[in-house]
Amino acid sequence: AQTVTQSQPEMSVQEAETVTLSCTYDTSESDYYLFWYKQPPSRQMILVIRQEAYKQQNATENRFSVNFQKAAKSFSLKISDSQLGDAAMYFCAYKEGRDDKIIFGKGTRLHILP
Amino acid sequence: NAGVTQTPKFQVLKTGQSMTLQCAQDMNHEYMSWYRQDPGMGLRLIHYSVGAGITDQGEVPNGYNVSRSTTEDFPLRLLSAAPSQTSVYFCASSYSPYNSPLHFGNGTRLTVT
Repeated sequence: AQTVTQSQPEMSVQEAETVTLSCTYDTSESDYYLFWYKQPPSRQMILVIRQEAYKQQNATENRFSVNFQKAAKSFSLKISDSQLGDAAMYFCAYKEGRDDKIIFGKGTRLHILP
Repeated sequence: NAGVTQTPKFQVLKTGQSMTLQCAQDMNHEYMSWYRQDPGMGLRLIHYSVGAGITDQGEVPNGYNVSRSTTEDFPLRLLSAAPSQTSVYFCASSYSPYNSPLHFGNGTRLTVT
């Protein structure tokens, strides 16, 4: 079964600095999708960024970008110019192309230090 | 546009009681799913559906039933609640299960005593 591993339960970063959250996944498939979701204290789940495995170019969304290393099965999230509103739990998620299930990692809690 | 609506927001049950968590979406999404969120465990998939009349099991289906009689609704039933089912439950939907992002409801916090 596919697994998603987030090895950092908690991280802290100074406001305006850059932080990278790690995610690795286990799969034997070549067709899949990867996502990062953010869950602020409000408990709402918000899509941050997504990446199709067939695309070599790393996805970016404003201050958020990913480092997708397909051979290493790594999908890290970089947050630039961290802001207080970025404080949240971040979940990495995987979806196989042929499957209907979306599997989440255990999450990384990000603290922003003023 | 309401998106994904979950009710109730909070619920307390006694062991052995039954209840249904409601989930409705108004985006004409084919794919719907239920997750539970527990501290240190992330989100775990309970059941999912790719369309009306079709349901399938996720990672942790035991103790839960679902049905999908309409595109809009995907209720989650606990037939005999157990303390191990104390959790926050999220319903999510998407246009398709492929690369469409999930739209989440605001969650239901369930406590079983």
